[in-house]
Amino acid sequence: GAVVSQHPSWVICKSGTSVKIECRSLDFQATTMFWYRQFPKQSLMLMATSNEGSKATYEQGVEKDKFLINHASLTLSTLTVTSAHPEDSSFYICSARVRAPRSYGYTFGSGTRLTVV
Amino acid sequence: TQLLEQSPQFLSIQEGENLTVYCNSSSVFSSLQWYRQEPGEGPVLLVTVVTGGEVKKLKRLTFQFGDARKDSSLHITAAQPGDTGLYLCAGGNNAGNMLTFGGGTRLMVKP
Repeated sequence: GAVVSQHPSWVICKSGTSVKIECRSLDFQATTMFWYRQFPKQSLMLMATSNEGSKATYEQGVEKDKFLINHASLTLSTLTVTSAHPEDSSFYICSARVRAPRSYGYTFGSGTRLTVV
Repeated sequence: TQLLEQSPQFLSIQEGENLTVYCNSSSVFSSLQWYRQEPGEGPVLLVTVVTGGEVKKLKRLTFQFGDARKDSSLHITAAQPGDTGLYLCAGGNNAGNMLTFGGGTRLMVKP
């Protein structure tokens, strides 16, 4: 099946530093990837849509200068949290849509738990 | 903006009981997906429904898409502790380039 690999699984960083999260589609090409943030006991909130070879589309309220998204190839999208602060601590998840006849499923990465201290 | 309301938010039941989770919206979705998420992991797709009135079964799980494609339900028969997790419904837009998630239902099945 379609697999999205996300790394790292968890990361602890100091306030003010930057953290990069990678999301790779292993056995399919993903022209579009999605980045979500999930706080404890809450649902997923879409942060941005990453498009291969073009600028990402950010949801309202998400700072594009703080959450840098790069989608340079059909199999890799990265999210960089710049100048991280404790309030950025969260569970970040990427996903990609898997195209198939009459299939609208999205496959998700395993998530990255970011803790900013 | 398309919104999905999921209920109940939390459900704690005994092993063997049945349960139903609802996902409702005032908007029409081209597709509706149900996911299950374990702590510290990404959501895993359970099913996708695309046709109004469609019913799909996955072992003890029955999924239904409303006739008007605005709502969906997930019914679990004879729940087991292994069913414990966060269940998420998500609606797909016509362009197929966006998912809207419901608030999630946290299910706990006690042995």
